[in-house]
Amino acid sequence: QQQVKQSPQSLIVQKGGISIINCAYENTAFDYFPWYQQFPGKGPALLIAIRPDVSEKKEGRFTISFNKSAKQFSLHIMDSQPGDSATYFCAASNGETSGSRLTFGEGTQLTVNP
Amino acid sequence: NAGVMQNPRHLVRRRGQEARLRCSPMKGHSHVYWYRQLPEEGLKFMVYLQKENIIDESGMPKERFSAEFPKEGPSILRIQQVVRGDSAAYFCASSPSWETQYFGPGTRLLVL
Repeated sequence: QQQVKQSPQSLIVQKGGISIINCAYENTAFDYFPWYQQFPGKGPALLIAIRPDVSEKKEGRFTISFNKSAKQFSLHIMDSQPGDSATYFCAASNGETSGSRLTFGEGTQLTVNP
Repeated sequence: NAGVMQNPRHLVRRRGQEARLRCSPMKGHSHVYWYRQLPEEGLKFMVYLQKENIIDESGMPKERFSAEFPKEGPSILRIQQVVRGDSAAYFCASSPSWETQYFGPGTRLLVL
């Protein structure tokens, strides 16, 4: 019940296109859903996060869509750029019962072709 | 305004040796988390600490692994008698509260 499933495993997009990465969770107690971006040899960097009281959050070219009833959330990257090529991880946590430890998805390797 | 610092960045150990990984949280952050990332996999939670206290160690292997966050100094993840399966990237994250976690650059451990 602690799993977070992420898809696709890899994604290739042309420059200027939209990248979409999906995640699904099982634990209904999760109440915080961040997305992290990781470049090779680096640590994950927080990109954007959402709580389940809103259905969408946008920051620049990055948007999280959240569907509480379906227990799914997704990351949309608009106008994708080659510099966006990285591995993206969704995650979930529940501060009250799990001490806010993050449960991560398996990751999506995004390649944006010029 | 330094971020989370980890050292060493790379560590090579032979089987049976001890590995000691250090993490200095961001200034003002009193929550520290350790995660492990195996090659081509996502990050797995290991342990959550606050100053001088282990809050949640449910992700930590029962043997050979230990963690501490003393009143003074960095948090330390210690792996005794390392085996090849311990080869991974170990990330530390810090947080000012229970929510947003900021990750360090990681320590890449290679066990020969």
